[in-house]
Amino acid sequence: SQQGEEDPQALSIQEGENATMNCSYKTSINNLQWYRQNSGRGLVHLILIRSNEREKHSGRLRVTLDTSKKSSSLLITASRAADTASYFCAPGKITGNQFYFGTGTSLTVIP
Amino acid sequence: ETGVTQSPTHLIKTRGQQVTLRCSSQSGHNTVSWYQQALGQGPQFIFQYYREEENGRGNFPPRFSGLQFPNYSSELNVNALELDDSALYLCASSSANSVAGARGEQYFGPGTRLTVT
Repeated sequence: SQQGEEDPQALSIQEGENATMNCSYKTSINNLQWYRQNSGRGLVHLILIRSNEREKHSGRLRVTLDTSKKSSSLLITASRAADTASYFCAPGKITGNQFYFGTGTSLTVIP
Repeated sequence: ETGVTQSPTHLIKTRGQQVTLRCSSQSGHNTVSWYQQALGQGPQFIFQYYREEENGRGNFPPRFSGLQFPNYSSELNVNALELDDSALYLCASSSANSVAGARGEQYFGPGTRLTVT
């Protein structure tokens, strides 16, 4: 399916540590996006990586994409308490812009 | 803030009733997608509207219907409410050049929390 599946389901780290979460999907994509959601509010777009890109950086975020393995990872460096949230990946179809989200990774950063 | 607004913020309805949720998309965006998010789950795609026409639908029954207006704002209507319809309803706007859809990011509103009793 087009659904992205995040792993692990939950992650708890100390402030200052790095957090890595992974995403797997099953079909061909045009791009893959990562979103953050705080406490049941709306999702916030973090970063988009296109299918012809392998790595992308944005501030403390680093995203990798391996289309041969149909997987992506999101690395948050030097985590802060404010990074506590749920993180979702969204594989973008070749056509259309309809996302099928997984259950997300719940990240807790302990001050 | 994304510029996408939703109303109301919270809503309580009784089983069997009907509800209308509203979404104003970000300026310049012509595509709106609706999602249902149950507690502890990821958002589930309901449907998408592009230039006032439905452009894709997820696995939701026909009692979930929608509209998109000429100014690209949108409504989600749910008839014959069931207890399982209790969820956070999110809309997201994006920009597309064709019915094939946009390939960029979506901008989400803060959501409407619907409780069905």
